[in-house]
Amino acid sequence: GENVEQHPSTLSVQEGDSAVIKCTYSDSASNYFPWYKQELGKRPQLIIDIRSNVGEKKDQRIAVTLNKTAKHFSLHITETQPEDSAVYFCAASRTSYDKVIFGPGTSLSVIP
Amino acid sequence: DGGITQSPKYLFRKEGQNVTLSCEQNLNHDAMYWYRQDPGQGLRLIYYSQIVNDFQKGDIAEGYSVSREKKESFPLTVTSAQKNPTAFYLCASSIPRPDSYHQPQHFGDGTRLSIL
Repeated sequence: GENVEQHPSTLSVQEGDSAVIKCTYSDSASNYFPWYKQELGKRPQLIIDIRSNVGEKKDQRIAVTLNKTAKHFSLHITETQPEDSAVYFCAASRTSYDKVIFGPGTSLSVIP
Repeated sequence: DGGITQSPKYLFRKEGQNVTLSCEQNLNHDAMYWYRQDPGQGLRLIYYSQIVNDFQKGDIAEGYSVSREKKESFPLTVTSAQKNPTAFYLCASSIPRPDSYHQPQHFGDGTRLSIL
């Protein structure tokens, strides 16, 4: 069945450094790739998403890249801050009427 | 103020007992979802519903049941057949579109279920 893998499972970076989280998906028909941030004990919140017709999208310190040929996409956070510490989930889905498949998550710690 | 409300925040269940988790949304979203989250793990889909009076099983539906009698409500019942129900349960909603593009999901604050 459909599967989304995510690496690394944990990541520690110094404040101000960059963080990169990588995901691969198995369903070649996937065309929507959201990223969610979940702080401890809170709800996941969408931070950025990308659709299959673009290769890169940026929003301030956050960027996402997509390589459809290789079936992988990545989240890049620059100039990390302690408030970036959270669990990040990547996900993939086909059409609006299909279920979303989530990756297992990456726990990011930003050390002051 | 629009959003998704899950209740209760904490729930305790005795062995052999069914419990129902509430999920209500006032976002006018057609699609609603239930996920289970275990410590250190991702979100696993239990059930989802794209429209009132219709729902589909997700990846881990065994031991769970749902209903979708109203657009705003999608309650989840954890039955006694679910042998390991201790987890964090998240409800989400979204707007399905007739085109090929998905819309992001909005999540509730979750219900933490524990076995007594």
